Amino acid sequence: AQSVTQLDSQVPVFEEAPVELRCNYSSSVSVYLFWYVQYPNQGLQLLLKYLSGSTLVESINGFEAEFNKSQTSFHLRKPSVHISDTAEYFCAVGLTGGFKTIFGAGTRLFVKA
Amino acid sequence: DVKVTQSSRYLVKRTGEKVFLECVQDMDHENMFWYRQDPGLGLRLIYFSYDVKMKEKGDIPEGYSVSREKKERFSLILESASTNQTSMYLCASRSTVSGNTIYFGEGSWLTVV
Repeated sequence: AQSVTQLDSQVPVFEEAPVELRCNYSSSVSVYLFWYVQYPNQGLQLLLKYLSGSTLVESINGFEAEFNKSQTSFHLRKPSVHISDTAEYFCAVGLTGGFKTIFGAGTRLFVKA
Repeated sequence: DVKVTQSSRYLVKRTGEKVFLECVQDMDHENMFWYRQDPGLGLRLIYFSYDVKMKEKGDIPEGYSVSREKKERFSLILESASTNQTSMYLCASRSTVSGNTIYFGEGSWLTVV
């Protein structure tokens, strides 16, 4: 069975500092990997995804994530965060050809001035 | 852009009431999902539907049922609402040809009193 572990439930960071949100997964078959973001009182929005090809994927607002197959990780990074990045971030794993997508418990990023 | 619309953002219902949560997607997606989101537990799958009139139980189906009579619409039904069903409910849809990317609605906050 697949599982997703987000290693930090909350990450406080100062504005303009770098941040890394950690995600590990387990699966015996090939997977797709996703990061979603949820702003207060809203649904989840896709931030970025890895389907195949280059292991480094980027979003339009400066986040990036790297698929590391040997460590079964898909950590999310941003070199310099803004106040507006304050949100909850969910890592997710989907099986190639499968129906279910498994979500992590979420990491709450809090950016302080 | 994919749009998933949930009919009610905020609802307050009494214990024992029958509750309907409606969801419509506009991108002709085959798959639709209902999740509930609770603090510290992330997203948990209640039911999913891989096509019209087809449904499968997710991880926490007890106390819920679903209906999918048309491709664009997926309804979640609480047959007899209870206080432990107070939660945020998220509807989502997915195309089988988009790399398993799931698109979410804005969410419905349900309070059962």
